[in-house]
Amino acid sequence: AQKVTQAQTEISVVEKEDVTLDCVYETRDTTYYLFWYKQPPSGELVFLIRRNSFDEQNEISGRYSWNFQKSTSSFNFTITASQVVDSAVYFCALSEKGQGAQKLVFGQGTRLTINP
Amino acid sequence: KAGVTQTPRYLIKTRGQQVTLSCSPISGHRSVSWYQQTPGQGLQFLFEYFSETQRNKGNFPGRFSGRQFSNSRSEMNVSTLELGDSALYLCASSLALRERDEQYFGPGTRLTVT
Repeated sequence: AQKVTQAQTEISVVEKEDVTLDCVYETRDTTYYLFWYKQPPSGELVFLIRRNSFDEQNEISGRYSWNFQKSTSSFNFTITASQVVDSAVYFCALSEKGQGAQKLVFGQGTRLTINP
Repeated sequence: KAGVTQTPRYLIKTRGQQVTLSCSPISGHRSVSWYQQTPGQGLQFLFEYFSETQRNKGNFPGRFSGRQFSNSRSEMNVSTLELGDSALYLCASSLALRERDEQYFGPGTRLTVT
């Protein structure tokens, strides 16, 4: 069965600190897709990144970077030089191949608070 | 391009009533998925519709149902409401041309059952 674990329930840091959000997943499929979403107080989930199981290349987008390691079933998210606007709940999600792969299994989320 | 829209944004219902929520996907998107978000259970997948057919279904009782129209708009219905149905209901749409196509979420409908 699919499962996504975000062990960090809440993280609080001071602005400009780097912060890493952990995500560990379980799946029996060899082809799957991993995602990160951000949920600001407004409630709408904002898509951040998608990763395919066969592409372990890490990715950097501005202050955001993602580290995908199949050997440890982890897909961690790092924010460099955090800003107050980064405060939100962040969700890691997994979908498996088949049936359009549109069924997302989410972790419990990590509430990130960036203090000025 | 307009994003995913959901109506109504807020709803208060009484136990035992039924409710219908609406979702309009991004233009051109053929897949619409519904999720329930509660503090206790987190984000849980309800079902997905693709070209008017239910393609995926989560583990929810039959009181939860949905449908999709030919213009890809979708509705979900909850009958015989229970207090535990109070939640934020999120709709997401996707091109779904490829399996890896990401989902884009609407602002949600916050349902309160009293």
